[in-house]
Amino acid sequence: EVQLQESGPGLVKPSQSLSLTCSVTGYSITSNYWGWIRKFPGNKMEWIGHISYSGSTSYNPSLKSRISITRDTSKNQFFLQLNSVTTEDTATYYCARELMSFDYWGQGVMVTVSS
Amino acid sequence: DIVLTQSPATLSVTPGESVSLSCRASQGISTSIHWYQQKSNESPRLLIKYASQSISGIPSRFSGSGSGTDFTLSINRVESEDFSVYYCQQSYSLPWTFGGGTKLELK
Repeated sequence: EVQLQESGPGLVKPSQSLSLTCSVTGYSITSNYWGWIRKFPGNKMEWIGHISYSGSTSYNPSLKSRISITRDTSKNQFFLQLNSVTTEDTATYYCARELMSFDYWGQGVMVTVSS
Repeated sequence: DIVLTQSPATLSVTPGESVSLSCRASQGISTSIHWYQQKSNESPRLLIKYASQSISGIPSRFSGSGSGTDFTLSINRVESEDFSVYYCQQSYSLPWTFGGGTKLELK
């Protein structure tokens, strides 16, 4: 069974970087696409970006200057780095397997940006 | 970006009723729409893909329809476990976008 699990700090200070890890079991990240999605307080959801089976990436233009998605195929993990965070980046962050739709999701990690 | 507008924002129903949730796209997207259910403190769950394709393990009371700009998620005879928030998502063009959600609540 495909399982994903996010990990990372729950509290980040403004202007610092947010770094999250998604650990995948039951499926190789060298197949398909692997995405990051966030849900803001109030229910709005936003696609952040994805990394492909080959390591190529696509990002939401609204975040493009601040984000980086990378991977470690030896550990079957992929990563999100979001730079220069503000309070508006406070959200629950999910990783998911992306096949145009998102069929497997992690449990999510709540990240608060606050001093 | 393609904007998805879901309506209504909240739908109050009694168990046993049948309901339809709407998702309208700002431009034609063929059938590139997917539906999710999210219960409190859980991750979203894929219900329907490509407007009407069923997903293994999802109860048959959930169905989808539509193409172009107007899409519908139907729930035949709502059960108590169905009270949650429902989202649509488009995969017609990047960036993928989500609708604002419809909350299905107990009347």
